[in-house]
This record gives sequence, structure tokens and C-alpha cells, in this order.
Amino acid sequence: AQTVTQSQPEMSVQEAETVTLSCTYDTSENNYYLFWYKQPPSRQMILVIRQEAYKQQNATENRFSVNFQKAAKSFSLKISDSQLGDTAMYFCAFMTSGSRLTFGEGTQLTVNP
Amino acid sequence: GAVVSQHPSRVICKSGTSVKIECRSLDFQATTMFWYRQFPKQSLMLMATSNEGSKATYEQGVEKDKFLINHASLTLSTLTVTSAHPEDSSFYICSAREMDRSNEKLFFGSGTQLSVL
Repeated sequence: AQTVTQSQPEMSVQEAETVTLSCTYDTSENNYYLFWYKQPPSRQMILVIRQEAYKQQNATENRFSVNFQKAAKSFSLKISDSQLGDTAMYFCAFMTSGSRLTFGEGTQLTVNP
Repeated sequence: GAVVSQHPSRVICKSGTSVKIECRSLDFQATTMFWYRQFPKQSLMLMATSNEGSKATYEQGVEKDKFLINHASLTLSTLTVTSAHPEDSSFYICSAREMDRSNEKLFFGSGTQLSVL
């Protein structure tokens, strides 16, 4: 069974600064996908970024980038130039074939003005 | 991007009644849909996987007679909470799987807050 661990229940950052959210996972699979989802107070799940395990290059989406370390089974999210609208719960998630998503416990990020 | 519509967004019901939640893929065909449950300040827990035209696959510990799932078409899956009790109060979210040429994508509904009195 796959497990996803987010060891930071809460994080805070000042507006315009950079923050990194941690995520580790455990699997015996070789082909899989990793995701970061954002859940703002509206509770809508929003895809932030996606990484295919077979790709060595770290995914980036504007201010969001990941540090994917496959051997270490680590998948951290870096948010640059943090904005107030980034305040949300962030979930790391793992997916193998069949599209079953396993979520981490979540990290509540607060961006302070 | 693809849109998944889920409704109702909020429902309050009396204990013992049944509640139906709908999840629709609006501009794509979803052969597979997933139902999650989320308690306050907790993560999403997968309840079941719904495949069009076949029986749903439930996760361990989820009562299939309690949470009835129907996926009768490629664009609609429903979750019915039967004989609801206060402990069933939770946030329920669906997601739909879209297969495009290169990879698969998942899209989430906006969720349903169920409160059982």
C-alpha cells in the first residue's frame, strides 16, 4: 500500500517570500504520478502541479516548483513570491494506475501581509 | 479545463432519511469517478471507485449498503447516503477521470457538505 506523509501541519510565510512544503511517500511501484493540490476555504480542490515519476526534470508552474527526489521518495513544493491568495490547505498526493489518489494529511499554509 | 459539477453543495437532513449527491462531468466522458469523504481539518479519504456500467469498488471499512453508488452513464455518478445518521455528517467530494491522448487527468467537484440532524 502507498502512504503519503506531510510532516508540517501548519506553515506561515510573509507575503512575497518563499516557502517550501515537505512531502514524502512510500511505494514499491516504479511508475506513478505525484501531485500537489490546493484547497482554499471554498474547499474546491485545485491542482497546483503534477510530476510524472519517470521524468527526472522537476515540474514548474509559474511561481510553483517541485523538488522531486525519487530515490529518497521526496516531493517538496516551493512557492515563490507568496501571495495572500496562496493561503490554503495544501495536499500532496500519489497516484498509480487506475487513478486512485492517496492524499497526505495536508499542510495549512498562511500567507501573512 | 474540464468541469465537474457536484450538487447539492449543502444539504441538511433528518436522521433516518436518505440523501442523494450527484456528480456530473460537463464536457468530457468519465469512465471512472471517485468518491471521497473529508472530515474537518483532515485529508480526503477515498470511499469508492465508480466505473460506468459496473458495480462500484469500495474501500475497506466503507459500508456499501450505506453508501450506494450508481454510475449509469459516462457523465453521471451518484452517491446515496441511506438512512443517514449524525456520524455521516461530513464533506463529500467526487472526482472524474478524463483520459486524453497523453495522460490521464482528474477533476474534482466542488463538494457537498452533509449535515444530519
